[in-house]
Amino acid sequence: GAGVSQTPSNKVTEKGKYVELRCDPISGHTALYWYRQSLGQGPEFLIYFQGTGAADDSGLPNDRFFAVRPEGSVSTLKIQRTERGDSAVYLCASSLNGGLNEQFFGPGTRLTVL
Amino acid sequence: GIQVEQSPPDLILQEGANSTLRCNFSDSVNNLQWFHQNPWGQLINLFYIPSGTKQNGRLSATTVATERYSLLYISSSQTTDSGVYFCAVFPRGGGSNYKLTFGKGTLLTVNP
Repeated sequence: GAGVSQTPSNKVTEKGKYVELRCDPISGHTALYWYRQSLGQGPEFLIYFQGTGAADDSGLPNDRFFAVRPEGSVSTLKIQRTERGDSAVYLCASSLNGGLNEQFFGPGTRLTVL
Repeated sequence: GIQVEQSPPDLILQEGANSTLRCNFSDSVNNLQWFHQNPWGQLINLFYIPSGTKQNGRLSATTVATERYSLLYISSSQTTDSGVYFCAVFPRGGGSNYKLTFGKGTLLTVNP
């Protein structure tokens, strides 16, 4: 079946602008995760959804970052007043039921803030 | 939090050679995943392996959880094996065992 998909694949924006990144998980997966990968590093956890609710948002760096998953499927990561330090690859993953289930990643969105 | 260290950081091979990548972790884990990040940035699942040994074609992995390490073996390497290999662990305890914690990866280059 189809894997995790993310749009856009690339996003270039100017400092101070608002951006939205979209993730469509594997069909039937109730758990969804956002990670952020900086150059030369492994991905780092941002937020975890189980169904529609954010079960853990402890990895969000500050209150400019927010994510939603209103119908328990597609999720949107929203970044307000973008800063140059937000430039990174934003990865989405999903798993069958959360917990220790294997996570599967999308291709990522490369965000560049000028 | 748990620390995940991968070695070597970089590895250059000639096509056909074998290699072993290592992942050490600082605390107990519930499970572990190995990924290959291809040159286009896609993370491809290789193994989901809390303990023991698994094999998939030319690749195999062994996790010894009691000694806090995992090994990824690549045999008869091909140029398409190039990319970054990541180890990621599900930490035990603390109520957040769903958070994958990644190492910094091993950059593998296979030359023809």
